[in-house]
Amino acid sequence: EVQLVESGGGLVKPGESLTLSCAVSGFPMSAFAMDWVRQGPGKGLEWVSSISQSGNYIYYSDSVRGRFTVSRDNAKNSLFLHINSLRPEDTGVYYCTRDWVLAFDYWGQGALVTVSS
Amino acid sequence: EIVLAQSPTTLSLSPGDMATLSCRASQSVDRSLAWYQQRHGQAPRLLIYDASTRATGIPARFSGSGSGTDFTLTISSLEPEDFAVYYCQHRFNWPRTFGQGTKVEGK
Repeated sequence: EVQLVESGGGLVKPGESLTLSCAVSGFPMSAFAMDWVRQGPGKGLEWVSSISQSGNYIYYSDSVRGRFTVSRDNAKNSLFLHINSLRPEDTGVYYCTRDWVLAFDYWGQGALVTVSS
Repeated sequence: EIVLAQSPTTLSLSPGDMATLSCRASQSVDRSLAWYQQRHGQAPRLLIYDASTRATGIPARFSGSGSGTDFTLTISSLEPEDFAVYYCQHRFNWPRTFGQGTKVEGK
């Protein structure tokens, strides 16, 4: 069974940093690109970042480029998203997804990040 | 950046009704479009990819059509579990943007 489980969310103050993790099981993570998608409170879905199978190709949305860093450890079946200089507008649920060429076919349950002083 | 505009914002229907949701791209995305369903409090679920191919386990009442800039998701006869928010997303280039969503609610 394919499972993606995010962790590392929580309440943080503006300007602080945070690292989200996504533990993957049920498929060889090294065979798939992986993405992060976020959703602000009461808002729609926003694609954040993508990392290729080997980590050689990385893409970010304009809204997070320069503050977010995606990485992966295929040996540990784990995906990461490091966020610097957190802003209130970064508040939301962060989803880890499997990027199956044509669509995001599996999603985690999400990790809630709340940025507030 | 390709902008996806979904319409209507909200669709008020009853079980058994047909739902027709639209997604229009600001430039051609060929057939590189997917549809997702998000029920309240849940993660999104893939419904349709490549504009018209149903994902594994998705009931036949869901169908997608279109190419280029105009796409449609049709639910032929709404079941109670279909009342949710639906998003389109393109995969033509970077960034992989989503539409703003269409909420299908009970009348």
